[in-house]
Amino acid sequence: DGGITQSPKYLFRKEGQNVTLSCEQNLNHDAMYWYRQDPGQGLRLIYYSQIVNDFQKGDIAEGYSVSREKKESFPLTVTSAQKNPTAFYLCASTLGTYNEQFFGPGTRLTVL
Amino acid sequence: AQSVSQHNHHVILSEAASLELGCNYSYGGTVNLFWYVQYPGQHLQLLLKYFSGDPLVKGIKGFEAEFIKSKFSFNLRKPSVQWSDTAEYFCAVNGPNFGNEKLTFGTGTRLTIIP
Repeated sequence: DGGITQSPKYLFRKEGQNVTLSCEQNLNHDAMYWYRQDPGQGLRLIYYSQIVNDFQKGDIAEGYSVSREKKESFPLTVTSAQKNPTAFYLCASTLGTYNEQFFGPGTRLTVL
Repeated sequence: AQSVSQHNHHVILSEAASLELGCNYSYGGTVNLFWYVQYPGQHLQLLLKYFSGDPLVKGIKGFEAEFIKSKFSFNLRKPSVQWSDTAEYFCAVNGPNFGNEKLTFGTGTRLTIIP
């Protein structure tokens, strides 16, 4: 069953801790993306990667880091430098520029 | 930078009413336009997309959108809504002059359909 998986679904973190969100796809897509969704603000791009071992900052990259060591995996680390990390995080992938982005189910991160 | 505006933040309609959700973008050149929907508890999924050709685009579940270049608009329409259309709707845009590989999303419109 092809698709994008994100884990965990819910994540709680204490202030000052780093946390890593998982994103895996078995669609053989080249490009992968991380978005943050906040009520009333839509989706904002954090980081994206168009090819293995390469990634670019999006609009709100501060306080986040990523890696792309494998085509199917694009983990996102929320560091302690992120001032307001509580949000819903969505991962997406696409085959190419003129194709739609497919989204995962999301991870809801709450900082206590 | 490219921006997308969705002026309707929350729309409440009765079943069988007609729907039009507004979407305006800021860039005057070539654009690709998308509408995504997020049903409660489900993944964000594509409703329809416009790249070129006929400006009236038909999507899934009876939705359609019209690209009006002179108005920088890509409004979403449905002639008769159902309770199952209750969801959040997002307009998005990309284009060759500001990063085809990235989508810029609007802030979303929450649609509530009353049975």
